[in-house]
Amino acid sequence: GAVVSQHPSRVICKSGTSVKIECRSLDFQATTMFWYRQFPKKSLMLMATSNEGSKATYEQGVEKDKFLINHASLTLSTLTVTSAHPEDSSFYICSATQQGGVYGYTFGSGTRLTVV
Amino acid sequence: AQTVTQSQPEMSVQEAETVTLSCTYDTSENNYYLFWYKQPPSRQMILVIRQEAYKQQNATENRFSVNFQKAAKSFSLKISDSQLGDTAMYFCAFMKRGFNKFYFGSGTKLNVKP
Repeated sequence: GAVVSQHPSRVICKSGTSVKIECRSLDFQATTMFWYRQFPKKSLMLMATSNEGSKATYEQGVEKDKFLINHASLTLSTLTVTSAHPEDSSFYICSATQQGGVYGYTFGSGTRLTVV
Repeated sequence: AQTVTQSQPEMSVQEAETVTLSCTYDTSENNYYLFWYKQPPSRQMILVIRQEAYKQQNATENRFSVNFQKAAKSFSLKISDSQLGDTAMYFCAFMKRGFNKFYFGSGTKLNVKP
């Protein structure tokens, strides 16, 4: 079946630094990838949608200059949290789809980001 | 705007028994999909079951079945013969047909007790 790999699974960074999270589709070409943020004991909130080779579309309230998303290839999307602050600490999950619609969404295993 | 409500933050069930998780949603759309996702302690989101709104027949996947009431905008998940491996957070989700965006509920934490 479709597999999405997310790396790293955990990262700790110092306040003010940037951190990059990778999301890879291992056995399919992901035309669209999604980035979610999940607060403790809360639901997943969509941050942005990215199509390969295009600029990401951000949800309302998400700072695009802070959360940089790159989808340079059909198998890789990256989320860079720039100038991270403790309030950016969260669980970030990516999802990918090849054909869209109801049958093709696969989620990564998530990245726990802690900013100290 | 679409909203998804899960009114049960946490539930427990004995192994081998049946449990039902509730979900209601609000939308003005007529063509959409509904999902139940499972998030075990590993945090990997796993699709449990999906339902197309235009289908009247309730979806079933082995021990998992739904009760889809379109007029009432209700979409509950029934887990039969609960197993320890069913312990997880369960999220109900909505997607408008033709759009790549999930609207997730706040989740229900299910504990299956031996």
